[in-house]
Amino acid sequence: GAVVSQHPSWVICKSGTSVKIECRSLDFQATTMFWYRQFPKQSLMLMATSNEGSKATYEQGVEKDKFLINHASLTLSTLTVTSAHPEDSSFYICSAKTRNTIYFGEGSWLTVV
Amino acid sequence: QKEVEQDPGPLSVPEGAIVSLNCTYSNSAFQYFMWYRQYSRKGPELLMYTYSSGNKEDGRFTAQVDKSSKYISLFIRDSQPSDSATYLCAMSVDYGQNFVFGPGTRLSVLP
Repeated sequence: GAVVSQHPSWVICKSGTSVKIECRSLDFQATTMFWYRQFPKQSLMLMATSNEGSKATYEQGVEKDKFLINHASLTLSTLTVTSAHPEDSSFYICSAKTRNTIYFGEGSWLTVV
Repeated sequence: QKEVEQDPGPLSVPEGAIVSLNCTYSNSAFQYFMWYRQYSRKGPELLMYTYSSGNKEDGRFTAQVDKSSKYISLFIRDSQPSDSATYLCAMSVDYGQNFVFGPGTRLSVLP
């Protein structure tokens, strides 16, 4: 199946700093990628839809100035958590859309201390 | 009423049992149905993909869609401890767009 790579898998950062997470589609071009957040034992929460070459579409309640999304190419989308705080600690997962389904990355664990 | 409902479990079964995982939904316009498996601290992995009503089989896994009842199922035959994970259903109206996920069912297969 299609492969989506996410990096880094684990990251610890200090409160107030920014951290960038990359999502790459390795063997297909993805015009649309999605970013999710998942708290322990809870379902995926869609944060935003990232479209190549245009601004991301954010879900209600997600701060676009805090969670910066850049979809610079057909194989790469990045999520930057700016001025991170401990409450931003979570599991962040990206996915990329093919013709008729989506494939997920392995996820990135962010811990803000 | 949530758009997609799924029993969160946990569901515990002995090794070798047949497992039935289910989702119900309210939007009759859904046409594309998927099942994902998510191991702890990992991203979801696509297991099965079906369109409209009917059955689809892949190895030990069978996906069923009953659009008249707005009900989908995933059956796992000869369950193994390695099947222990959270299973998420997902569905969409449009071709490859606007997926809605269920909350997931945690499955434990006991050796």
